[in-house]
Amino acid sequence: QVQLQQWGAGLLKPSETLSLTCAVYGGSFSGYYWSWIRQPPEKGLEWIGEIGHSGSTSYNPSLNSRLTISVDASKSQFSLNLGSVTAADTAVYYCARGQVAVGRKYFDLWGRGTLVTVSS
Amino acid sequence: QSVLTQPPSVSGAPGQRVTISCTGSSSNIGAGYDVHWYQHLPGAAPKLLMYGNSNRPSGVPDRFSGSKSGTSASLAITGLQAEDEADYYCQSYDRSLSVVFGGGTKVTVL
Repeated sequence: QVQLQQWGAGLLKPSETLSLTCAVYGGSFSGYYWSWIRQPPEKGLEWIGEIGHSGSTSYNPSLNSRLTISVDASKSQFSLNLGSVTAADTAVYYCARGQVAVGRKYFDLWGRGTLVTVSS
Repeated sequence: QSVLTQPPSVSGAPGQRVTISCTGSSSNIGAGYDVHWYQHLPGAAPKLLMYGNSNRPSGVPDRFSGSKSGTSASLAITGLQAEDEADYYCQSYDRSLSVVFGGGTKVTVL
């Protein structure tokens, strides 16, 4: 059974860099797009960005200037780095597996989420 | 403000039918991109409930159904059960913003 396991620092100060990693266990890493999605407190889901197994990326334009998503296909892992964080970046961050086809992109497997709090 | 608009809440008694709407625009749903739905229980990861407008992943009860028309989509739950109480999100693709979600709808079983 394929599982996504994620980890990273849960408490940051303003201006620091948020770093999370997600590992894929029990299934193929290639052939999918791997995304990060977040949910601020009391708000809805927001797509952050994605990376393919070969390293091609696509980012949410609103976060593009602070965002880097990278991949280590040899370890079936992908990582999120979001720079210059503020309190507005406080959220539960999820990694997810993206299924992509013509006219559609959706997420069929999710990690359990990591609460990241930005506070001075 | 979410790109896709959902009602904040819907409710129904056990056994009833409820529907959740998801309204977009000509740059996302109206452009022909599919709509997908997720069920999100508190403290859990979101779960894919419907993909490609009306396709249920394996294991999702047939009480859940989806449809799409024009710039909108909807999710219907028939025979509402207590375990269906959750937040539901629609998701699509937008020409300018890439992946977009609705603001979420809380389903309450009375």
